Amino acid sequence: DSGVTQTPKHLITATGQRVTLRCSPRSGDLSVYWYQQSLDQGLQFLIQYYNGEERAKGNILERFSAQQFPDLHSELNLSSLELGDSALYFCASSVLTPSGEKLFFGSGTQLSVL
Amino acid sequence: DQQVKQNSPSLSVQEGRISILNCDYTNSMFDYFLWYKKYPAEGPTFLISISSIKDKNEDGRFTVFLNKSAKHLSLHIVPSQPGDSAVYFCAASDGSSNTGKLIFGQGTTLQVKP
Repeated sequence: DSGVTQTPKHLITATGQRVTLRCSPRSGDLSVYWYQQSLDQGLQFLIQYYNGEERAKGNILERFSAQQFPDLHSELNLSSLELGDSALYFCASSVLTPSGEKLFFGSGTQLSVL
Repeated sequence: DQQVKQNSPSLSVQEGRISILNCDYTNSMFDYFLWYKKYPAEGPTFLISISSIKDKNEDGRFTVFLNKSAKHLSLHIVPSQPGDSAVYFCAASDGSSNTGKLIFGQGTTLQVKP
């Protein structure tokens, strides 16, 4: 158990709809990262928040948005969903080591857009 | 632009033998490299890491080698066990950036046969 909690585990919805994915980081971790894993693809970095503020942005579509709340949990909002948005969405929080940051991942939310 | 590449989608080895997973990167600013292991229906879990100031790091059966001039790293598993069967992701980060985000390769599926 990584200590990172993601809900829901599975989400089935239709094209054009909007969904919200939720993530609770490990206790004490200030950073939250969102990644997308599509079929046969590696993990694509979407966005990072640190203590409530956006820290880095990756290949995140304009239809997607995220935020981190004062209690440090984060939500990823996906709107105007398309078939191609079907993927596994992972959240991670991190701990800083002498070498660099180590990410701890949740078990993911499997999104299916029909 | 794939900054981290794992060119072998899959690898099959016999139990007890060595497994060698390879990873190439293009960004010379990367200075911290990690390997993650992922089982089905679970999030990636940290396996081993290496800083760019080293060329080898060992942890039990797992050893990571870094060749900076070739921009190449490899993960050796000796001896391989059936429980090692999983998807392995190589990841890298740029310590000079203000983010701990990791850039992942596409993954290599390792199958260890009994």
